[in-house]
Amino acid sequence: RKEVEQDPGPFNVPEGATVAFNCTYSNSASQSFFWYRQDCRKEPKLLMSVYSSGNEDGRFTAQLNRASQYISLLIRDSKLSDSATYLCTNNQGGKLIFGQGTELSVKP
Amino acid sequence: EAQVTQNPRYLITVTGKKLTVTCSQNMNHEYMSWYRQDPGLGLRQIYYSMNVEVTDKGDVPEGYKVSRKEKRNFPLILESPSPNQTSLYFCASFTSSYEQYFGPGTRLTVT
Repeated sequence: RKEVEQDPGPFNVPEGATVAFNCTYSNSASQSFFWYRQDCRKEPKLLMSVYSSGNEDGRFTAQLNRASQYISLLIRDSKLSDSATYLCTNNQGGKLIFGQGTELSVKP
Repeated sequence: EAQVTQNPRYLITVTGKKLTVTCSQNMNHEYMSWYRQDPGLGLRQIYYSMNVEVTDKGDVPEGYKVSRKEKRNFPLILESPSPNQTSLYFCASFTSSYEQYFGPGTRLTVT
């Protein structure tokens, strides 16, 4: 079993839809969690850190469930520009483990 | 402008010819890391460094070396490249809260 697992998708959604991604992790020693966005084999860019209390940034909401060992990302009111691959990662004291990424395609 | 730079961006080489990919950051971050990205396998950490002269293995360190002689630079060295090291490589520097900033990537082909 991979340490960090994501549904690779693709998720094909219409503009304006709400879409949610989950990411499960197996190492309970994971200290912190993040979502990154990657466009077409360019460098990943930090989207959000994920806090235990949950956090929101505009249309994006991230949640952490330590008991069930998963993090989630919710995107509301999807835009065409949200089309990308979304990577989750956790940190184990400098050792950073990425999921495989979930591909999102937002259609007009 | 805060950034991570990598050079070269594209490299085609032959098996066994030593090469170095440079990485430099101007954000004064203590921590730096190298990854490779392959289809179906995602981003995998090769090595990371938490301070000058301190380096640790990630998930896939075999066939790679790194050095951290100064804070801003973290070169990746392939002493004897092989075709299975053909990949897209990313360098990143990260904050003390582990938020990462990636370089633009280096596409390496080993024939």
